[in-house]
Amino acid sequence: QLVESGGGLVQPGRSLRLSCVASGFSFDDYAMHWVRQAPGKGLEWVADISWNSATIGYADSVKGRFTISRDSAKNSLYLEMTSLRLEDTALYYCAKNGGSSGLDGMDVWGQGTTVVVSS
Amino acid sequence: DIQMTQSPSSLSASVGDKITITCRASRSITNYLNWYQHKPGRAPKLLISAVSRLQSGVPSRFSGSGSGTDFTLTISSLQPEDFATYYCQQTYSHPTFGPGTTVDIK
Repeated sequence: QLVESGGGLVQPGRSLRLSCVASGFSFDDYAMHWVRQAPGKGLEWVADISWNSATIGYADSVKGRFTISRDSAKNSLYLEMTSLRLEDTALYYCAKNGGSSGLDGMDVWGQGTTVVVSS
Repeated sequence: DIQMTQSPSSLSASVGDKITITCRASRSITNYLNWYQHKPGRAPKLLISAVSRLQSGVPSRFSGSGSGTDFTLTISSLQPEDFATYYCQQTYSHPTFGPGTTVDIK
């Protein structure tokens, strides 16, 4: 199970930190992802982090503004979002990688946390 | 980045119909192709990974095929619970999703 939190209403240019707490599986064994869905739009991958934090990737749309991290002691995944823009408004999901590679897909998803960027 | 396209963008069908959704990648992704089902207010659900690997608990009426750049998702006999939006996703490089195909009731 994955449970996201930290969403809310924020002004453009400000920052927000999302959290995702994992349970029911060995968090340390899997890569994790953030995926978002803007209102009326499709799914957009945002960032991912390997099981040991050695490999991190970002979508071009958030590179340099968002930072993904994880804390194995807390079974938690984070997304630090800075310099927020109107277009960052979305429902943000965390998702677990199904196995050791992309061939496994994202097999567990949270219910999402909503971020609204507005003045 | 690898771009994904899907067709059709939407379709109307009846219970019992066979439907096929097509997904195309802008370059070869070998077999790094996954399919998701997404219903309003729910988390996306992984249906198929690695082109054709049905996830545990997913009914056998769902199937996937393809390789390289062209892929399909087929539902052999549409059920009421299958009305949803379906996304393909490549994970050959940084993941990208297709724009989605919405399946609604005719």
